[in-house]
Amino acid sequence: GAVVSQHPSRVICKSGTSVKIECRSLDFQATTMFWYRQFPKQSLMLMATSNEGSKATYEQGVEKDKFLINHASLTLSTLTVTSAHPEDSSFYICSARDGARGGRFPDTQYFGPGTRLTVL
Amino acid sequence: DQQVKQNSPSLSVQEGRISILNCDYTNSMFDYFLWYKKYPAEGPTFLISISSIKDKNEDGRFTVFLNKSAKHLSLHIVPSQPGDSAVYFCAARRYGKLTFGQGTILTVHP
Repeated sequence: GAVVSQHPSRVICKSGTSVKIECRSLDFQATTMFWYRQFPKQSLMLMATSNEGSKATYEQGVEKDKFLINHASLTLSTLTVTSAHPEDSSFYICSARDGARGGRFPDTQYFGPGTRLTVL
Repeated sequence: DQQVKQNSPSLSVQEGRISILNCDYTNSMFDYFLWYKKYPAEGPTFLISISSIKDKNEDGRFTVFLNKSAKHLSLHIVPSQPGDSAVYFCAARRYGKLTFGQGTILTVHP
């Protein structure tokens, strides 16, 4: 259980175009999803928190007009990188919080496999 | 401001022995701590977690210890297996958000 998928796994686009990345919780409902970015040999940096049915909350320094987040259902959140530039090239990872899961590890974030974005 | 630190970039252990991965934090308001395992170009896989009100949590070969007074947590893997070789991240949670350490590369030699 607790499977999170991301699509696409890899995308290459031209500078100036927009790219949409999907994050889905496959076997649980996630009222909250998170979007992270990881640069090579660095840690995961939280970009924004996505709540179903409401506006996303962005971390300091993250441009909300550049990274559009939509959380339209309890199992799907999307991140759109608008007018992408080479500096947006990175590994983007989403996570979903399973708030309903009890037991020994409640309220844990489960991560998707990530999306490698390359902007030419 | 690096609130969660993993000071050892790498660790090498022989198969069958214990692996100890360490993590320090500065913010006493963190309420939950987690360990994730990650392979290159993949998302992190959840391993084990511990609430700030506990000092130990165990799940199979994995045990997490929390020392709140020292703001330190550790992950013990016993016995270590070659398949455990990966990058291990500790993460600390506050208001539902995770802050990650820089990661430690664990290599388990046969």
